[in-house]
Amino acid sequence: GAGVSQSPSNKVTEKGKDVELRCDPISGHTALYWYRQSLGQGLEFLIYFQGNSAPDKSGLPSDRFSAERTGGSVSTLTIQRTQQEDSAVYLCASSVAGGGTDTQYFGPGTRLTVL
Amino acid sequence: AQSVTQLGSHVSVSEGALVLLRCNYSSSVPPYLFWYVQYPNQGLQLLLKYTSAATLVKGINGFEAEFKKSETSFHLTKPSAHMSDAAEYFCAVTRSGYSTLTFGKGTMLLVSP
Repeated sequence: GAGVSQSPSNKVTEKGKDVELRCDPISGHTALYWYRQSLGQGLEFLIYFQGNSAPDKSGLPSDRFSAERTGGSVSTLTIQRTQQEDSAVYLCASSVAGGGTDTQYFGPGTRLTVL
Repeated sequence: AQSVTQLGSHVSVSEGALVLLRCNYSSSVPPYLFWYVQYPNQGLQLLLKYTSAATLVKGINGFEAEFKKSETSFHLTKPSAHMSDAAEYFCAVTRSGYSTLTFGKGTMLLVSP
């Protein structure tokens, strides 16, 4: 596809369950980012992948959050034992090569609701 | 550390009026600055970015922003608002050697006929 795609678009889960959110970046983009958008906290960085380098996990809020990127393309964000405060829109973005001047292209997001 | 402050969570203008959305940044090193727009239930779309070239940056949809180091500002303007400009606008900052963006809280632009 032409842009970043994310699935599912909406996810409703019960507290304590695990969830997986998927991101398909733009083909050829080596950098991939996850952000979280919530009413209370605004837009927050979660994790950043660049090529084969170790990911920058400095934004992950707890050890319940993890992410992987397979084959330098698709990424999955996993939240274990979900809590109500995890309810938010999870946005994925990709860019050509990373670096401060690179434009990040965002997907439409996954809206997660934890009951 | 870097941070961005967007003054005004909501800004209301009439169609045809000047749009001014304010962004002030804090950075200990020269920043790179971005404005993104988000329409309902969509992801963020880049409007324009400043990456240390010209201080007056022109973007899409008639928007522009001026980097003012002395004022640590990067305000977004458009001479004449359209109804289609109604959306949420985010200012973001990063720096050389650093890839992730730090966002402001966002400003919702409301355009009335």
